[in-house]
Amino acid sequence: KQEVTQIPAALSVPEGENLVLNCSFTDSAIYNLQWFRQDPGKGLTSLLLIQSSQREQTSGRLNASLDKSSGRSTLYIAASQPGDSATYLCAVGGMFSGGYNKLIFGAGTRLAVHP
Amino acid sequence: DAGVIQSPRHEVTEMGQEVTLRCKPISGHDYLFWYRQTMMRGLELLIYFNNNVPIDDSGMPEDRFSAKMPNASFSTLKIQPSEPRDSAVYFCASSKTGNYNQPQHFGDGTRLSIL
Repeated sequence: KQEVTQIPAALSVPEGENLVLNCSFTDSAIYNLQWFRQDPGKGLTSLLLIQSSQREQTSGRLNASLDKSSGRSTLYIAASQPGDSATYLCAVGGMFSGGYNKLIFGAGTRLAVHP
Repeated sequence: DAGVIQSPRHEVTEMGQEVTLRCKPISGHDYLFWYRQTMMRGLELLIYFNNNVPIDDSGMPEDRFSAKMPNASFSTLKIQPSEPRDSAVYFCASSKTGNYNQPQHFGDGTRLSIL
């Protein structure tokens, strides 16, 4: 059974720091891995999607890496800003339990960036 | 472009009442997903549709839950009768195709409270 774990559960940093969020998964037979951002009272916004054949994806100050063999992904945020404060969710996609490309989510990392 | 639209945004009702949640996916998206988010269990997939046909409903918790997609632009999730433990945020998401390089796009959710 696929399980996704995110560490840390919460993180508070001063503005300007570079930071790393971690995601691990137990079953390496994945199609892709997605990082989402969730703001309070809002839905999920897709930040980056890494296909299983890829090693990393970049968008602006965000960089996500994937090491499928070790079951790990990291989300790197450069020069953090207060506007980055949100919950970041990692999800792996695959044919789990026989279903099509199901997404299995981690519990998220709650990030607070203070001025 | 309009994103995934859900209604209502908030619903408060008494135990035993019927609840209907609504979703309009992004135009042209063939896949539609219903998720539930709670503090205890995180984000869980309830059911998903491909071209209006339910494909996997193994996540639907009980017979009290039902979902329909009468056409490509509308889906409903119904709970009858509702119970306090159904209180959660319900999200609808859609994706363009079944390819694993396609991200899922989420609506803002319906926050449901059953008294």
